[in-house]
Amino acid sequence: AQSVTQLDSQVPVFEEAPVELRCNYSSSVSVYLFWYVQYPNQGLQLLLKYLSGSTLVESINGFEAEFNKSQTSFHLRKPSVHISDTAEYFCAVSEGNFGNEKLTFGTGTRLTIIP
Amino acid sequence: GAGVSQTPSNKVTEKGKYVELRCDPISGHTALYWYRQSLGQGPEFLIYFQGTGAADDSGLPNDRFFAVRPEGSVSTLKIQRTERGDSAVYLCASSSGLAGTDTQYFGPGTRLTVL
Repeated sequence: AQSVTQLDSQVPVFEEAPVELRCNYSSSVSVYLFWYVQYPNQGLQLLLKYLSGSTLVESINGFEAEFNKSQTSFHLRKPSVHISDTAEYFCAVSEGNFGNEKLTFGTGTRLTIIP
Repeated sequence: GAGVSQTPSNKVTEKGKYVELRCDPISGHTALYWYRQSLGQGPEFLIYFQGTGAADDSGLPNDRFFAVRPEGSVSTLKIQRTERGDSAVYLCASSSGLAGTDTQYFGPGTRLTVL
């Protein structure tokens, strides 16, 4: 069975400061890793994903995450946050079995940007 | 184009009643997932459809929960004899089902409150 741990339930950060949201996973097989974001009053949206290849993946709005197999981590980072980044962020994992890519989610991290 | 839609957006019912929650996936998507998100938690997998058949229903909590997708498009999640513990946001997601790396697109959810 797979599981995801997001160590921080809430992270307050000043605007234009860097941020790291932590995610660790456990699985007995190879996995695909995802970060989803939920903006206030909106549905879950995919932010970025790691499937294979380069361990560093980026989103279009400046976030990046690095897959670290030895540490079983997939931390999300942004060098300079904006007010619009205020949201809840969920890390998720799937076993990548074609035909059933059900996701296992962490409990989420609420990112609050302080002006 | 149109995303995943879910109706109703909110449902309030009394303990012991029967409810149906509807999901309209993105047109052409063969894979459909139901998740449940309780307060302060990440989404939890309930059931996965590939076409008309339930390929994995291992996440359904008990036999009061049932889901159908008779024509391989719209899906209905049915909950019998509702209990207060069933209160949560029920999320639906769809993907093209063509590859193990498909992105799941989520609907806005149905917030179920059992009084």
